[in-house]
Amino acid sequence: QKEVEQDPGPLSVPEGAIVSLNCTYSNSAFQYFMWYRQYSRKGPELLMYTYSSGNKEDGRFTAQVDKSSKYISLFIRDSQPSDSATYLCAMSESGDYKLSFGAGTTVTVRA
Amino acid sequence: ETGVTQSPTHLIKTRGQQVTLRCSSQSGHNTVSWYQQALGQGPQFIFQYYREEENGRGNFPPRFSGLQFPNYSSELNVNALELDDSALYLCASSLGVTVNRYTEAFFGQGTRLTVV
Repeated sequence: QKEVEQDPGPLSVPEGAIVSLNCTYSNSAFQYFMWYRQYSRKGPELLMYTYSSGNKEDGRFTAQVDKSSKYISLFIRDSQPSDSATYLCAMSESGDYKLSFGAGTTVTVRA
Repeated sequence: ETGVTQSPTHLIKTRGQQVTLRCSSQSGHNTVSWYQQALGQGPQFIFQYYREEENGRGNFPPRFSGLQFPNYSSELNVNALELDDSALYLCASSLGVTVNRYTEAFFGQGTRLTVV
């Protein structure tokens, strides 16, 4: 079993829809939770960062962490064609130096 | 753009050969981490360099080695290339070795290595 599980999709939604992405994990020591966006032929860029449990909102993006269920989510409201990318969840233990990534979910937003 | 640059962008090598990939950190960042991203997979941590010393290593064999220079740029060397080494190799620079709210890792665009 992988440490971080993420459904690779692909996910195709019409413009304006809500995109819902999620990851599950097995390591209860994870404290830092991140979502990265990776466009084709580019490196990942940090979208959202959450420490421990809770919700965080930034514009059209909302990240949720439920440590009791070992489950994290990313919601994209009013999705745009420019949101078409691969979304990677990443996690880290407190004091650790490495990120553990999910496999990524490929999202296409249709105009 | 993140300010992290990698070279070359693409590379084709033959099985058994050796390869060197290069990374220039974002200005002011003293830590470089390398990741391997196979097709359809998330990045896997290879190792991290901080102030020219290896600070941590993932589950990769010794034929994966690295260097960090005084200007904090870095190299990833892979010896005795295998077909499974074909992947996107990502370098990430940060200010500080541990992951926290103050030490965001900025990724380069990656080097696409194909081993034939």
